Amino acid sequence: DGGITQSPKYLFRKEGQNVTLSCEQNLNHDAMYWYRQDPGQGLRLIYYSQIVNDFQKGDIAEGYSVSREKKESFPLTVTSAQKNPTAFYLCASSTRQGRTNYGYTFGSGTRLTVV
Amino acid sequence: DAKTTQPPSMDCAEGRAANLPCNHSTISGNEYVYWYRQIHSQGPQYIIHGLKNNETNEMASLIITEDRKSSTLILPHATLRDTAVYYCIVRSNTGNQFYFGTGTSLTVIP
Repeated sequence: DGGITQSPKYLFRKEGQNVTLSCEQNLNHDAMYWYRQDPGQGLRLIYYSQIVNDFQKGDIAEGYSVSREKKESFPLTVTSAQKNPTAFYLCASSTRQGRTNYGYTFGSGTRLTVV
Repeated sequence: DAKTTQPPSMDCAEGRAANLPCNHSTISGNEYVYWYRQIHSQGPQYIIHGLKNNETNEMASLIITEDRKSSTLILPHATLRDTAVYYCIVRSNTGNQFYFGTGTSLTVIP
């Protein structure tokens, strides 16, 4: 079955270290997104990519970086510059035809904790 | 994209219909209404979406008022597994992203 996979489910990081969260989809979706969710809060957009080798900053991109070398993959790196990285990270993808975007499919998330 | 307003929390008895309201008074003509839900510590799940007409699928029904300034998501026979946060989002299909607010936390009570 097609889907979107995030790994790992839980991740612990020491302060000052970079860490990369994986997001892979086999839905043949063009667009991919990274969101951050803090306890009791809604989702905030970090980065998104509409096509391979292109991506744009979302509302809270500082301290994060991404790449989109393959259509199926959109990894997120949380750098040491991110001041408060402990959060639940969600990856999503969607189809796009012309300028029309369709609904999201979400992964199951990665919970990152800085220790 | 238009902003939405939802009550922060609601309760519903198991087996009864759950009616979740959403106000989107600034919605424009090309914006769709989407509903997602998020069960604790999981990714949001698509439920339903619509533009003008009422919509129904195996999960829920979506009722959109004639002026499109509000809508209601109906879960016809709520179960304990429907306990989740429900997000109402309006977005044009040329928009780049969905804006998720804090949603409505629905608790289904046995």
